[in-house]
Amino acid sequence: DIQMTQSPSSLSASVGDRVTITCRASQGITNYLAWYQQKPGKVPKLLIYAASTLQSGVPSRFSGSGSGTDFTLTIRSLQPEDVATYYCQKYNIPPYTFGQGTKLEIK
Amino acid sequence: EVQLVESGGGLVQPGGSLRLSCAASGFTLSDHYIDWVRQAPGKGLEWVGRSRSKANSYSTEYAASVKGRFTTSRDDSKNSVYLQMNSLKTEDTAVYYCIRGTRTGNLWSGYHVVLDYWGQGTLVTVSS
Repeated sequence: DIQMTQSPSSLSASVGDRVTITCRASQGITNYLAWYQQKPGKVPKLLIYAASTLQSGVPSRFSGSGSGTDFTLTIRSLQPEDVATYYCQKYNIPPYTFGQGTKLEIK
Repeated sequence: EVQLVESGGGLVQPGGSLRLSCAASGFTLSDHYIDWVRQAPGKGLEWVGRSRSKANSYSTEYAASVKGRFTTSRDDSKNSVYLQMNSLKTEDTAVYYCIRGTRTGNLWSGYHVVLDYWGQGTLVTVSS
């Protein structure tokens, strides 16, 4: 099975910072990758699919890029409400594995 | 408004069974996939299984950790999807989410199943 590895596992950044989270697949998955945001105590929410397509209603400060095995989620200007754990998920073929998550905090 | 509401969680002993229900509203269930994802307390997300749409023959897939023990089914006439969980283990303890999957795309860009709406989840605790 394809493994999904996120880095870092946690990070702390200041409001206004540009934040980048990386997700690496153990084998190529073309662009079959999604990103989710889970705020504390809340249900996960889809941010991005097809590696770079922003889900409707998601702020434009979020963006995704990558193809094959290496992907990134970028928050252009970090806001206090972005405190959350972020997960990538590959969905080309089953099992549709999630990364282990990246916990983002505000400095 | 699209809504997914899970029910049926609770406390069960190891080796026992439980059936979760997911009530869907605000969309045509037969046109969509339904995935199940779980989250153990304080842990990350784990994909559990999938029920594809009517157009995809309602075919199913399961994670290796639950294959042979869990079965998903649906009754589109009742707008409901079910997850039958047998031979439960302590490591199955988690919040279980049902999620709507929408197939989007085309032949050139590829077809993508987007998990666009999540239920609130139901807690399953397996303990003696």
